Amino acid sequence: DADVTQTPRNRITKTGKRIMLECSQTKGHDRMYWYRQDPGLGLRLIYYSFDVKDINKGEISDGYSVSRQAQAKFSLSLESAIPNQTALYFCATSDPGNSYEQYFGPGTRLTVT
Amino acid sequence: QKEVEQNSGPLSVPEGAIASLNCTYSDRGSQSFFWYRQYSGKSPELIMSIYSNGDKEDGRFTAQLNKASQYVSLLIRDSQPSDSATYLCAVKNRAGSYQLTFGKGTKLSVIP
Repeated sequence: DADVTQTPRNRITKTGKRIMLECSQTKGHDRMYWYRQDPGLGLRLIYYSFDVKDINKGEISDGYSVSRQAQAKFSLSLESAIPNQTALYFCATSDPGNSYEQYFGPGTRLTVT
Repeated sequence: QKEVEQNSGPLSVPEGAIASLNCTYSDRGSQSFFWYRQYSGKSPELIMSIYSNGDKEDGRFTAQLNKASQYVSLLIRDSQPSDSATYLCAVKNRAGSYQLTFGKGTKLSVIP
């Protein structure tokens, strides 16, 4: 079984709709991250969380919100989706040890029409 | 603005050759460096991490770090068509931060 899972894997939605992307992990890591990836722009950090009570904005948090429901679950919401939020979204986790290595989920391809 | 720069490619090498991928970074205080491999439409997969100057070898992969020149590279020996992917360089900046800054990636194509 995958250590980091994301649901849904693909989603098409309309402008103005609220949508939630979910991430679950069985790695036992405390730190979780949400990224988006756009062609030519690379991976950009949206939000990150070090534990259930610690949520931090990343480089491009406008238009997004997150919820850390448990150590293993981190959700990303688009309150009112817009077409330029069409992208590939990745959840990642890392161990609180010194390695700082991040491990990615399989991704969600989101299209906003 | 902390930046990580990579040549976007595509870098084409024949099967069996050495592929050399390069990355420069702007934050001189950067401490940890990572290489990820990403196949088209898939998620990034960590293949190498390096923390101190010099070379680190893992199978056909060698990561090289030169902090004075703010330069990190990835060598892939005996390149195989299955190595064809985009390779992302990621850098952890100064102490106290757990964020990684990613380069935009270099697309590698290994020609049979």
